Amino acid sequence: SQQGEEDPQALSIQEGENATMNCSYKTSINNLQWYRQNSGRGLVHLILIRSNEREKHSGRLRVTLDTSKKSSSLLITASRAADTASYFCATWKNRDDKIIFGKGTRLHILP
Amino acid sequence: DAGITQSPRHKVTETGTPVTLRCHQTENHRYMYWYRQDPGHGLRLIHYSYGVKDTDKGEVSDGYSVSRSKTEDFLLTLESATSSQTSVYFCAISGGPSYEQYFGPGTRLTVT
Repeated sequence: SQQGEEDPQALSIQEGENATMNCSYKTSINNLQWYRQNSGRGLVHLILIRSNEREKHSGRLRVTLDTSKKSSSLLITASRAADTASYFCATWKNRDDKIIFGKGTRLHILP
Repeated sequence: DAGITQSPRHKVTETGTPVTLRCHQTENHRYMYWYRQDPGHGLRLIHYSYGVKDTDKGEVSDGYSVSRSKTEDFLLTLESATSSQTSVYFCAISGGPSYEQYFGPGTRLTVT
């Protein structure tokens, strides 16, 4: 059962532009995580935001969380070719033993 | 990089044969997970473990079994492989259920 759903499914932008992808989820959560997956590789954790946080930054990444709308966004500023990857959100709710991944957004940075 | 390896990395097997995939970690993390990744389905949890000999089912556990006899090893077994089990399998580890997960490099399994 997919909890998070990323939007758009695919995104192509020019190098140097900002990329924004969104994640919506259905039930209350305690934290939300974003992961990146380069082609043919395992997922890599990017950032975790807790339900009592509204915004977090890490380098060129900015994540927001709106619990009233049950949604999160991941902004990558000044995109680079190396940012070409799939991006997944994953949600965790209290007392659960697992996080639930969405289906991902495929980001392609054009030279 | 977290110390997590998967073996084999690639395997081709025939329908009906048993297959075991191994996940090995050197981080002493309590939680270990097996996922499969298929186009259009994202990442789906097969089984997970929250300690030695403690395992539970995920959302797509039918046809799979797991074992964890040591902290560092988590085995996924397909008792009788079917073509629908052709997929890329990822192992992940975590210090706790709410924590970030660290993923292995994946095993590409083809069942012919």
